Amino acid sequence: DGGITQSPKYLFRKEGQNVTLSCEQNLNHDAMYWYRQDPGQGLRLIYYSQIVNDFQKGDIAEGYSVSREKKESFPLTVTSAQKNPTAFYLCASRPTGGAQPQHFGDGTRLSIL
Amino acid sequence: QKEVEQNSGPLSVPEGAIASLNCTYSDRGSQSFFWYRQYSGKSPELIMFIYSNGDKEDGRFTAQLNKASQYVSLLIRDSQPSDSATYLCAVRDDRGSTLGRLYFGRGTQLTVWP
Repeated sequence: DGGITQSPKYLFRKEGQNVTLSCEQNLNHDAMYWYRQDPGQGLRLIYYSQIVNDFQKGDIAEGYSVSREKKESFPLTVTSAQKNPTAFYLCASRPTGGAQPQHFGDGTRLSIL
Repeated sequence: QKEVEQNSGPLSVPEGAIASLNCTYSDRGSQSFFWYRQYSGKSPELIMFIYSNGDKEDGRFTAQLNKASQYVSLLIRDSQPSDSATYLCAVRDDRGSTLGRLYFGRGTQLTVWP
């Protein structure tokens, strides 16, 4: 089935540890996005990419890093510099042509141990 | 920073009633508008999008857009308990280097009681 797959569903981070969240899509979408959602809050954009080997910072990029080596994959690393990483992380994608909407993966819930 | 404002609610309506969800946005140049539904603990799912002034209907859902007033709304007719969720309004920037990014409101929590 075509879709956006995020893994793992739940992730725990120890102090000082980097963790990587996976996002894979088989929809042949050019653009991919990472959002963070805190309880009772809307979605805030962390990073986005409109083409392979290119990405832009969103509104809250500090403490995060990404790569886009393949069209299908857009992994997000939460570094130890992100002091409050506990949140629900959502990956989305869309085709860049036309006015197509974004669709989301099922999300990864990250917690601090 | 582009602002998207929604009534935080919670909004509570009886089964069968019309639920009205409202959203205003600050960037007059915005062109594309989206409504997502998010059940507790789940990811958002797209339910409606609208680009032109006026109404767009899809089943029990109607999106209304008024660009002059910078206002977009979502009406849910014949509300069902299964409609109970948080509804997120999103506005897209279709210009320049930020092409395609969305700006989200904080969401309105809707409860439909039997």
